[in-house]
Amino acid sequence: GENVEQHPSTLSVQEGDSAVIKCTYSDSASNYFPWYKQELGKRPQLIIDIRSNVGEKKDQRIAVTLNKTAKHFSLHITETQPEDSAVYFCAATPREGGADGLTFGKGTHLIIQP
Amino acid sequence: DTAVSQTPKYLVTQMGNDKSIKCEQNLGHDTMYWYKQDSKKFLKIMFSYNNKELIINETVPNRFSPKSPDKAHLNLHINSLELGDSAVYFCASSQQGLTGGYTFGSGTRLTVV
Repeated sequence: GENVEQHPSTLSVQEGDSAVIKCTYSDSASNYFPWYKQELGKRPQLIIDIRSNVGEKKDQRIAVTLNKTAKHFSLHITETQPEDSAVYFCAATPREGGADGLTFGKGTHLIIQP
Repeated sequence: DTAVSQTPKYLVTQMGNDKSIKCEQNLGHDTMYWYKQDSKKFLKIMFSYNNKELIINETVPNRFSPKSPDKAHLNLHINSLELGDSAVYFCASSQQGLTGGYTFGSGTRLTVV
């Protein structure tokens, strides 16, 4: 089955700086890679996703890059703000919406220092 | 309107009891899931189910069983609860081929005492 590794487990950055979270996956059949943000006591919420036919996707301050050859993908957050503080999860699945479900990384606790 | 709703939000029960958590989605999605989030925040899939197949994560004890009365509902039954079952359980749903990915419910915090 799929295995997703995520680093770092904790990331502390100054407000206004950039944050980068990296993930690797093992199953070459995986073709859908979402990122979720989970605030304390809340549900995971999708913030951005990328499919295997795309190398990069951007949505305002958030961007995701994918290297299929190397089997890794990254989340980039620019101009970080206090409300970006949360736990971020990467995930992978071979079939978007399919019964395989998502395999998650272990999460990154992002702390934005004022 | 809540897209994926779970009840109850909190559940405190004694070891050995049997309990159920209910989940409903109004998104018209084909597939529903149960995920377990442990104390270290690790999210792990337990089951996925659509009208054609049930996929069970092999690490899930058979004390856990999903029940789906229809496409919009996937309930989780747990028999003979153990201390180690304490966690947050999330229901989720998805539709193959559509954008928006997987939508999660608000979670049920289960505490076994």
